Amino acid sequence: ETGVTQSPTHLIKTRGQQVTLRCSSQSGHNTVSWYQQALGQGPQFIFQYYREEENGRGNFPPRFSGLQFPNYSSELNVNALELDDSALYLCASSFGTSGNEQFFGPGTRLTVL
Amino acid sequence: KQEVTQIPAALSVPEGENLVLNCSFTDSAIYNLQWFRQDPGKGLTSLLLIQSSQREQTSGRLNASLDKSSGRSTLYIAASQPGDSATYLCAVSMTTDSWGKLQFGAGTQVVVTP
Repeated sequence: ETGVTQSPTHLIKTRGQQVTLRCSSQSGHNTVSWYQQALGQGPQFIFQYYREEENGRGNFPPRFSGLQFPNYSSELNVNALELDDSALYLCASSFGTSGNEQFFGPGTRLTVL
Repeated sequence: KQEVTQIPAALSVPEGENLVLNCSFTDSAIYNLQWFRQDPGKGLTSLLLIQSSQREQTSGRLNASLDKSSGRSTLYIAASQPGDSATYLCAVSMTTDSWGKLQFGAGTQVVVTP
């Protein structure tokens, strides 16, 4: 059984650019949630995708968007990057939505200069 | 609004000592509570998940308790080892939230010295 994978591992961008982060779910999971973790803080929920539809969203602006594909892999897109977007981005997969155990990937470290 | 707090923010213990990590939450309408381990710059490894109807969960040297009415969970790690050095995070999901989003504390950074 393959766990949750994310790519790339690290990424450096400049302010104003756009970035795409990718996540491959654990086998059998149909739900992906994305989190942003700033240095020294706990992860903050960005949004969740369930069966290719956005199922819920945290307190993040519309320039954070996502996609989920038929194979349940997912992308997080961030437009017009700001310095404060520098963080570790984590995706988590689960089967179903409310209250089911979430399994996290290794994360993508994004640095915005 | 749910707030999850972990105290202390950092903890250093000698090898062999038992670790006690605390997590508190303000809204008791939780669906479950999950403990994670995070190594520097890495993702989260799930340690234990406690459903709201449970009082505790155990896995090896780890034991987590849950007191929903008082809004507290405690993670016990017996006979700590240097390999236990990491940041430990707790997170809750709410019954009022159909998405099952996790709300995290800021974590407790643990150092176990040989």
